[in-house]
Amino acid sequence: EVQLVESGGGLVQPGGSLRLSCAASGFTFSSYWMSWVRQAPGEGLEWVANIQQDGSDKFYVVSVKGRFTISRDNAKISLYLQMNSLRAEDTAIYYCARGGLAAAVFDHWGQGTLVTVSS
Amino acid sequence: EIVMTQSPATLSVSPGERATLSCRASQSIGSNLAWYQQKPGQAPRLLIYGASTRATGIPARFSGSGSGTEFTLTISSVQSEDFAVYYCQHYNNWPPITFGQGTRLEIK
Repeated sequence: EVQLVESGGGLVQPGGSLRLSCAASGFTFSSYWMSWVRQAPGEGLEWVANIQQDGSDKFYVVSVKGRFTISRDNAKISLYLQMNSLRAEDTAIYYCARGGLAAAVFDHWGQGTLVTVSS
Repeated sequence: EIVMTQSPATLSVSPGERATLSCRASQSIGSNLAWYQQKPGQAPRLLIYGASTRATGIPARFSGSGSGTEFTLTISSVQSEDFAVYYCQHYNNWPPITFGQGTRLEIK
């Protein structure tokens, strides 16, 4: 069974940093693109970033470029999101998602981790 | 950036009725469209990809159609468990990957 379990969320002050993790199991992690997708409270879905199977290609939504860094460790079967210079508008549930049927079709999702940016 | 626009924002139907949800892309995306269902407090679930192919385990009452810029998700006979928010998402010529703003399917 495919499982994605996010961790690392919490309350952080504006300008602060946080590192999210996503532990994968039940599939060959190194064979799939992986993404982070977020959802602000009461709002819709927003793709944040994705990373190719070997980590060589990474893409970001404009609003986080230069502040967030996506990475992966295929040996540890984990996906990461380093978030720096956090803003109030980054407050959201962050989901880890697998690009299963195509790099950008998300066939499995984690349950999400809540990031709150507030003073 | 390709903008995805969904309509209506809220759709009220009675159980057993047909529901038709629309999604429009700001430019042609071929058939590179997916639909997701999200229930309160849960992660989204993939329903449809390639505009019309049901994902694994998705009931046959869900169907997708369209290509280019106009797409439709149809639920032939809405069941109680189908009341949720539905999102369309393009995956053509990304980044960025963008979602529609969602359609809430509610009980009439």
